[in-house]
Amino acid sequence: NAGVTQTPKFQVLKTGQSMTLQCAQDMNHNSMYWYRQDPGMGLRLIYYSASEGTTDKGEVPNGYNVSRLNKREFSLRLESAAPSQTSVYFCASSDSGGYYEQYFGPGTRLTVT
Amino acid sequence: EDKVVQSPLSLVVHEGDTVTLNCSYEVTNFRSLLWYKQEKKAPTFLFMLTSSGIEKKSGRLSSILDKKELFSILNITATQTGDSAVYLCAALSTGYALNFGKGTSLLVTP
Repeated sequence: NAGVTQTPKFQVLKTGQSMTLQCAQDMNHNSMYWYRQDPGMGLRLIYYSASEGTTDKGEVPNGYNVSRLNKREFSLRLESAAPSQTSVYFCASSDSGGYYEQYFGPGTRLTVT
Repeated sequence: EDKVVQSPLSLVVHEGDTVTLNCSYEVTNFRSLLWYKQEKKAPTFLFMLTSSGIEKKSGRLSSILDKKELFSILNITATQTGDSAVYLCAALSTGYALNFGKGTSLLVTP
C-alpha cells in the first residue's frame, strides 16, 4: 500500500499562473482533505470531500478549487496563483464518520514568485 | 470560533528527561482529540482520544483526555533524540474538520 500520494513534490510558479495538485489514496477511504501549512500558523483546512461526489469549503478556501475525480483521487487547483499561496500543501484521507484518524500524504512545497 | 491551543510552543530537554505537552480546545460539536508527530515531512498519527480519563499508551508515549476541562496531555518518558519533532494536537468536530493547534517543537539534546 502506498497510502496517500501527492504530485508534484515541489513547484515554483509565477504570479498569475495556474496549476493542479494531485492526490490519490489506496486505502479505500471515503473522505479526503486538502490542508496548507504555513510557519507559525499550523495546518489549516482548505477543502474537504466527505464522500465521492461531494466537496465542502474549509477554513481558507479562497483562491482554490477542488475536484473529487473518483473515490481515490482529489485534486486542488490554483487558478491564478498569488504569493500568499506560497505554502506546503498536504492531502489527507480517512474513513468517514468523524471518528477515524486522517492519514497524510508527503506534501507539495509550492513557491509563488 | 473553534480553537486549539498548544503549550509550550517549543521545548528543549536532555535525553532521558520526561516531557509533558499540553493541548486545550474549544470546539463546537467535539468528537475526538488527535495527536500527530511531524518530522519535516507529513504528520504521522499517534493517538486518537474520544473518552475522558482513559489513557492511551504506545511505548514511551502516552496521552489522556479531560472532556470536562477541555484539555489533553501527551507524555513522553525517557526521551531520545529521535523524539525531536513538532507535536501537533487536533480536535475533530462534526463536518469532518480537524482543527489543529500550532504545534509544540520538541528538541531532545544528547
